Amino acid sequence: EVQLLESGGGLVQPGGSLRLSCAASGFTFSSYAMSWVRQAPGKGLEWVSVIRGSGSSTYYADFVKGRFTISRDNSKNTLYLQMNSLRAEDTAVYYCAKGPPYNILTGFLYYFDYWGQGILVTVSS
Amino acid sequence: EIVLTQSPGTLSLSPGERATLSCRASQSVTSSYLAWYQQKPGQAPRLLIYSASSRATGIPDRFSGSGSGTDFTLTISRLEPEDFAVYYCQQYGSSPFFGGGTKVEIK
Repeated sequence: EVQLLESGGGLVQPGGSLRLSCAASGFTFSSYAMSWVRQAPGKGLEWVSVIRGSGSSTYYADFVKGRFTISRDNSKNTLYLQMNSLRAEDTAVYYCAKGPPYNILTGFLYYFDYWGQGILVTVSS
Repeated sequence: EIVLTQSPGTLSLSPGERATLSCRASQSVTSSYLAWYQQKPGQAPRLLIYSASSRATGIPDRFSGSGSGTDFTLTISRLEPEDFAVYYCQQYGSSPFFGGGTKVEIK
């Protein structure tokens, strides 16, 4: 059974930093792209970042580029999101999400077949 | 960036009725790389449909997706009580982007 468990959220002041973790189990972690998706209170879903299975390629939404860094430790089956220079508008529930299997014809596809339960990040003074 | 617009914002229906949700893209979505998710209050989203019309594992056949290019539809043939939720479309032909959601509520 696929399980994704986020941790590391909490309250942080504007301009501060936080690192989220996502512990994965139930699948071969290193074979799948993983993403972070966020949801501000009462709002819709926003894709934040994705990292391919090997960690060799990463992509970011424009609104976090230069501030957030996605990474993974395949030996620990763990995904990370380092968040710096946090702003009030970064307040959201952050979900880690697993991508589908790599397909030799289509390559990596960035939809999300399993999601963690989410972790709340609040940026406020 | 391909922007997705979902309509209507809210759909008020009764159990047993048919629900038709629309997702319109600002540009053609490559290879129909369009997914649909269901989200209930306090829960993570759940994948329903990918590649515009393929049902994800374990999804009942009352859920179906269709469309191509810029116009996509999620249809729930007969609403069950557990289907009342918010539904999001997402394109992944370019940088992933979600629509704003459609809430299906009990009339």
